[in-house]
Amino acid sequence: KAGVTQTPRYLIKTRGQQVTLSCSPISGHRSVSWYQQTPGQGLQFLFEYFSETQRNKGNFPGRFSGRQFSNSRSEMNVSTLELGDSALYLCASSLAGRINYGYTFGSGTRLTVV
Amino acid sequence: AQKITQTQPGMFVQEKEAVTLDCTYDTSDQSYGLFWYKQPSSGEMIFLIYQGSYDEQNATEGRYSLNFQKARKSANLVISASQLGDSAMYFCAMRYHSGGGADGLTFGKGTHLIIQP
Repeated sequence: KAGVTQTPRYLIKTRGQQVTLSCSPISGHRSVSWYQQTPGQGLQFLFEYFSETQRNKGNFPGRFSGRQFSNSRSEMNVSTLELGDSALYLCASSLAGRINYGYTFGSGTRLTVV
Repeated sequence: AQKITQTQPGMFVQEKEAVTLDCTYDTSDQSYGLFWYKQPSSGEMIFLIYQGSYDEQNATEGRYSLNFQKARKSANLVISASQLGDSAMYFCAMRYHSGGGADGLTFGKGTHLIIQP
């Protein structure tokens, strides 16, 4: 079965611009989570969506937002980009409410802000 | 709050030796899941092994086994007969119910494992 697909794989943006990243989960997975990974801060949770509703949000400024569509595909948006937003953004999908079920991650989008 | 601690930022191991990567966790929940992921330089997070908080037996998946000591809140990953392809970052993570029907997944800071020929 197809895995989690993230697009694009690489992105270079200028400070002040905005960016939209896309994530298509594994078929049947309705829970989608986003993580930011940087060398300094490690893996940080951004938000989690289930059935088009944001259920959980990490400690990030309002410039970071997301949404989920009826087909469970998710997008995250970062407005007014800052140099510190340069990171690997990982999306993961899972079956919701199943503690014993792992998250499957995509290959990530590597965002560079210049 | 849930917390995962990985105390080994980096490890060098000779090929074919066994490796133990340490992970301790902190939670007041009774029900949780513990996971190990491998992240090669390409960036993708690859699931390795899972241990449930109520599982009495240690999990095993091929060359990977999880040394689960619940009373000590530790979930160490053991890789037997290490291979050059095992060189990567390894993350310990915990899945838990965060309330309101939502789940959370919290990660440790990772261990950078380098296998030397």
